[in-house]
Amino acid sequence: QKEVEQNSGPLSVPEGAIASLNCTYSDRGSQSFFWYRQYSGKSPELIMSIYSNGDKEDGRFTAQLNKASQYVSLLIRDSQPSDSATYLCAVGPQGGSEKLVFGKGTKLTVNP
Amino acid sequence: EAGVAQSPRYKIIEKRQSVAFWCNPISGHATLYWYQQILGQGPKLLIQFQNNGVVDDSQLPKDRFSAERLKGVDSTLKIQPAKLEDSAVYLCASRPGRNHPKNIQYFGAGTRLSVL
Repeated sequence: QKEVEQNSGPLSVPEGAIASLNCTYSDRGSQSFFWYRQYSGKSPELIMSIYSNGDKEDGRFTAQLNKASQYVSLLIRDSQPSDSATYLCAVGPQGGSEKLVFGKGTKLTVNP
Repeated sequence: EAGVAQSPRYKIIEKRQSVAFWCNPISGHATLYWYQQILGQGPKLLIQFQNNGVVDDSQLPKDRFSAERLKGVDSTLKIQPAKLEDSAVYLCASRPGRNHPKNIQYFGAGTRLSVL
């Protein structure tokens, strides 16, 4: 059974701080990793994808991947109240997002 | 580009009744997924279609759930009969294909089902 584990939170940070979200996965063969943002009552929206070990930066978001430790994280710099949402970690096999296994999500609240 | 369309947005039924959800993927997307998202959980894959063929339905409760994707475009997901534990948001997603530069899943707004 392939599993993706996330701290369900809630995680609360002040505006302007760095929010750090973590995810571990059980399937060593996983090759594609995604972070989705889901606002309450809305559908998941992809914000980051990462396929290689190391860091990938996009604006205020940085995804970090360590396949040896089976660990992926998302950092949000200069957090804004609009970042308040549930962040879902999703893990997929080689070749992209053919079949994703999602974690339960971490609820982030950014306080003004 | 239009997104993934789903209807209805909300549905309330009593247990043992039947219900159907509809999904229209992004034009040209070959792969279509149905997910079930129970409150407080991540989406769980129910079924994956490649064009009009089923790729994976291993987590679909086949005694009560069925899905089809006739002509490889629109898809319907049916529950018959519904149970209380089927209360969830049913998300449809589509993906362009392996050779597409943005080969990612795009989600629809979902259908929120309440079984009373």
